[in-house]
Amino acid sequence: QVQLQESGPGLVKPSETLSLTCTVSGGSVISHYWSWFRRPPGKGLEWIGHMYFSGSTNYNPSLKSRVTISVDTSKNQFSLKVSSVTAADTAVYYCARLIAATGFFHFDYWGQGTLVTVSS
Amino acid sequence: QSALTQPPSVSGSPGQSVTISCTGTSSDVGGYNYVSWYQQHPGRAPKLMIYAVSKRPSGVPDRFSGSKSGNTASLTISGLQAEDEADYYCYSYEGNYPYVVFGGGTKLTVL
Repeated sequence: QVQLQESGPGLVKPSETLSLTCTVSGGSVISHYWSWFRRPPGKGLEWIGHMYFSGSTNYNPSLKSRVTISVDTSKNQFSLKVSSVTAADTAVYYCARLIAATGFFHFDYWGQGTLVTVSS
Repeated sequence: QSALTQPPSVSGSPGQSVTISCTGTSSDVGGYNYVSWYQQHPGRAPKLMIYAVSKRPSGVPDRFSGSKSGNTASLTISGLQAEDEADYYCYSYEGNYPYVVFGGGTKLTVL
């Protein structure tokens, strides 16, 4: 059973960079796509972006200029960085695995989520 | 504003059926059989309920079903139960970058 666990600071100051890591257990990051989502308070679930283990990335256009997703195959982890954060980036952040193959395009395994608050 | 349109809320009584719609375009919902649905209870992670328009992952009750007609996908929940009260999101593959589109979510209330 694949399990994902987010980790990182729960509090980030405005204008700084938010950094989160998702550790994958029970499976390998190799040969899969890895995704990040967030849910701001009172709002809906928003897709941030995803990355194939070999390096290709796709980002939500609304966040693309500030977001970087990377994968570390040696640690079986992938990461999210969001630069120049504001209060609008306060949200519960989730990592997930994307299944993208002929006949399939969906997110099957999810982390439990981690709350990140942007405040001074 | 989300690329896929969902009703903000739907409601039904226990035992009844409800349908949540998800409307896109021929470039996403209408063009590919890659619509998926996710259930999210408060404070919990999203859970995959339907993929490839109408397929159910192992463990998802058969009360949940998915379909598509033209540019609109639908999630139908029959025999409503109190535990079905949650937020539901639709996602789809899109033929152009960034290849992912999603709905704003629908809050299901079981009366």
